[in-house]
Amino acid sequence: SQQGEEDPQALSIQEGENATMNCSYKTSINNLQWYRQNSGRGLVHLILIRSNEREKHSGRLRVTLDTSKKSSSLLITASRAADTASYFCATDGGATNKLIFGTGTLLAVQP
Amino acid sequence: EPEVTQTPSHQVTQMGQEVILRCVPISNHLYFYWYRQILGQKVEFLVSFYNNEISEKSEIFDDQFSVERPDGSNFTLKIRSTKLEDSAMYFCASTPYREPNYGYTFGSGTRLTVV
Repeated sequence: SQQGEEDPQALSIQEGENATMNCSYKTSINNLQWYRQNSGRGLVHLILIRSNEREKHSGRLRVTLDTSKKSSSLLITASRAADTASYFCATDGGATNKLIFGTGTLLAVQP
Repeated sequence: EPEVTQTPSHQVTQMGQEVILRCVPISNHLYFYWYRQILGQKVEFLVSFYNNEISEKSEIFDDQFSVERPDGSNFTLKIRSTKLEDSAMYFCASTPYREPNYGYTFGSGTRLTVV
């Protein structure tokens, strides 16, 4: 698999439920970031977790990072219809001056 | 909140033509990037730019592509002799520092359609 694989590829839940998305990567990282993309629109930075952190919270978002397993998860609690979007993880290796994006999870929150 | 602005939002061009995609990064940011996303696919890195020169480029960024910061505010991506497979969303991004602990600010993108 390539750097930045996410699962599931698509997730459909009811409003109020929690949504969990996972991301795996291959190389060493300085940080891992999560972005949101509404259909046909730009990427919005949600949260960044450093390689020496294990968990981070921001509002209804909770991100975990397991560097031993090279994986991260994004949890959105109490989801809303407005959370419907694609969610991407992206790794910043630091040695190179670029982000490497995952394949994304398409989240649909049904009202 | 400061934004990265991209123009045009949508451009249609004939195969073989040259296009220039424009970006205005956040004013105090020093590092600039172009990414692209072919419909339904991953976001791919094209090039990073700092201190008026390319700091890194991907294998996608061949001689067909060039970047420039002509006037200290705009950051442009030029695609010469466009091909059908250049059709994609092109995103500009900027960051204030190269320190690896800052998220990137992306523009809303330019949808390029080559016909």
